[in-house]
Amino acid sequence: DQQVKQNSPSLSVQEGRISILNCDYTNSMFDYFLWYKKYPAEGPTFLISISSIKDKNEDGRFTVFLNKSAKHLSLHIVPSQPGDSAVYFCAASAYQGAQKLVFGQGTRLTINP
Amino acid sequence: EAQVTQNPRYLITVTGKKLTVTCSQNMNHEYMSWYRQDPGLGLRQIYYSMNVEVTDKGDVPEGYKVSRKEKRNFPLILESPSPNQTSLYFCASRATGGAKEAFFGQGTRLTVV
Repeated sequence: DQQVKQNSPSLSVQEGRISILNCDYTNSMFDYFLWYKKYPAEGPTFLISISSIKDKNEDGRFTVFLNKSAKHLSLHIVPSQPGDSAVYFCAASAYQGAQKLVFGQGTRLTINP
Repeated sequence: EAQVTQNPRYLITVTGKKLTVTCSQNMNHEYMSWYRQDPGLGLRQIYYSMNVEVTDKGDVPEGYKVSRKEKRNFPLILESPSPNQTSLYFCASRATGGAKEAFFGQGTRLTVV
């Protein structure tokens, strides 16, 4: 049972344009959401997060949007740069209980010059 | 520098030969966990620990053991590795309280032949 889903395995965007990565979840107990970025041969690194009490969080070129009613979140990268080429994972957790992070399958983003 | 350190980075072993992957963190985090990454499946949690001497199964615990004798260390033990345990493994740590990001090690690529 995949509680966090990233339905696009890959995405290709031109440099300077907007990249939009999507993520859906099924567990209504999730109240904290994160995006991680992963380069080859490295561990995932934290990018940005959002609490369920918000619908938007911004950090420089990165913005995460949360639509609780649709159980959907998205990561916007504007403008996209070649260094953004990586695999992006969304993750979710519930404040109570085991507090584990549940990850999606990942989306490979390629920024073309 | 805050970090999670895993060793070894690469390991090739034979079926049935016991092995241990070490993980150490220097952030005094209570919560530590192990994930495996497989194509199309994202990151799946193997085991987690909420504090010293407190461990529990994640989503894919079969064939693995862990221990948490000290706060900083959380080794992953494969008593009798099998080829289906060939994967990329990540250790992670985070502070308790659900709204916290996890920090990941650089990964251990394990091949069981």
